[in-house]
Amino acid sequence: EVQLVESGGGLVQPGGSLRLSCAASGFTVRVNYMNWVRQAPGKGLEWVSAFYSGGNTYYADSVKGRFTISRDSSRNTVYLQMDSLRAEDTAVYYCARESNWNDGMDVWGKGTTVTVSS
Amino acid sequence: QSVLTQPPSVSGAPGQRVTISCTGSDSNIGAGYDVHWYQQLPGTAPKLLIYDNSNRPSGVPDRFSGSRSGTSASLAITGLQAEDETDYYCQSYDSGLSGWVFGGGTKLTVL
Repeated sequence: EVQLVESGGGLVQPGGSLRLSCAASGFTVRVNYMNWVRQAPGKGLEWVSAFYSGGNTYYADSVKGRFTISRDSSRNTVYLQMDSLRAEDTAVYYCARESNWNDGMDVWGKGTTVTVSS
Repeated sequence: QSVLTQPPSVSGAPGQRVTISCTGSDSNIGAGYDVHWYQQLPGTAPKLLIYDNSNRPSGVPDRFSGSRSGTSASLAITGLQAEDETDYYCQSYDSGLSGWVFGGGTKLTVL
């Protein structure tokens, strides 16, 4: 079964760090385009970051310089290292797969919740 | 403010047809980048509803259809059912931002 499972969310103080994990099963992350998308409480979807199959990485301006996406092919897992967290980073973070570039995100995890608060 | 503009809400009676618009610009939809649509039920992850402007993934009813023209795209739902009442989002690529962009979302109410 094709599946994504996120973990690593939690409560963190402003300025703190968290690392989210996205474990894939049923397919290989190395040959797909893997994304992180977040949704603040009561708000819409916001693309955060992407790891392309070729190894390139991309970030939304709102997280550039603070978040880092990475991939461990041996674990078939994608990570999102989040540093210098702000209250506005509070959201449910989803991991999502694109099989081909700009073909739509066809597989989503259930999400993990990040709360940034003192 | 989202790069792609959607109406905050639309409504229709059971059995009717509704459309949801998604307006972009020359750096995204107008540049020819494909548009995708997602349906998100409360408390759940988004689900791909339409990809590449007008294609339905396996399992999506043919009541759902999409189109793209110029700097805009549309999602049409025919034969409205109570279960269609939820949130819908459009998505495309923006060359100016070098990343994906979503619409602000549209809440569909079935009267």
